[in-house]
Amino acid sequence: GAGVSQSPSNKVTEKGKDVELRCDPISGHTALYWYRQSLGQGLEFLIYFQGNSAPDKSGLPSDRFSAERTGGSVSTLTIQRTQQEDSAVYLCASSLGAGGGNGELFFGEGSRLTVL
Amino acid sequence: LAKTTQPISMDSYEGQEVNITCSHNNIATNDYITWYQQFPSQGPRFIIQGYKTKVTNEVASLFIPADRKSSTLSLPRVSLSDTAVYYCPHTDKLIFGTGTRLQVFP
Repeated sequence: GAGVSQSPSNKVTEKGKDVELRCDPISGHTALYWYRQSLGQGLEFLIYFQGNSAPDKSGLPSDRFSAERTGGSVSTLTIQRTQQEDSAVYLCASSLGAGGGNGELFFGEGSRLTVL
Repeated sequence: LAKTTQPISMDSYEGQEVNITCSHNNIATNDYITWYQQFPSQGPRFIIQGYKTKVTNEVASLFIPADRKSSTLSLPRVSLSDTAVYYCPHTDKLIFGTGTRLQVFP
């Protein structure tokens, strides 16, 4: 596709369930980023991929959060045993080159997660 | 934790010029300075990027002093549609922070 695609756009789940959020970056973009944005707040960095490897996982809030990227393309963010405080918009972005911010980031529209 | 600093919010009126300043105290020698804009219910989008001096595009101008410890995003003649949150992320780990919430009034 022409842009970064995220799915689902909306997800409502019950506390304790696992959820998977998917990000399809722009074709050819080697860097991929996940952020979390709570209502009215700024973006919270979660994890960064360069190719399939994640040199920086420091932003993942707990061991319930994990992410993988396969084939240098699609990435999945998994949240296990969801809690109400996980409710937020999860944003994915990709860029052409390596991380460090000198390339333009292209963001998806986000996946809105609501944990009841 | 290295990060940038910018005002939490700003108000303006249609037709005025708005300048938003960001401090980059820990910017690395090779890093560019980039600004993003975010509308409600959307992901951020790139506005402008520069290394030093002045950069101008169809949306905004970016002023960067010689020491590169700060940058100023300038929006000429803002309209209601410029109401958004503006970010100057730190290039180390791409920390966006809370940004500057600009409200433009009629």
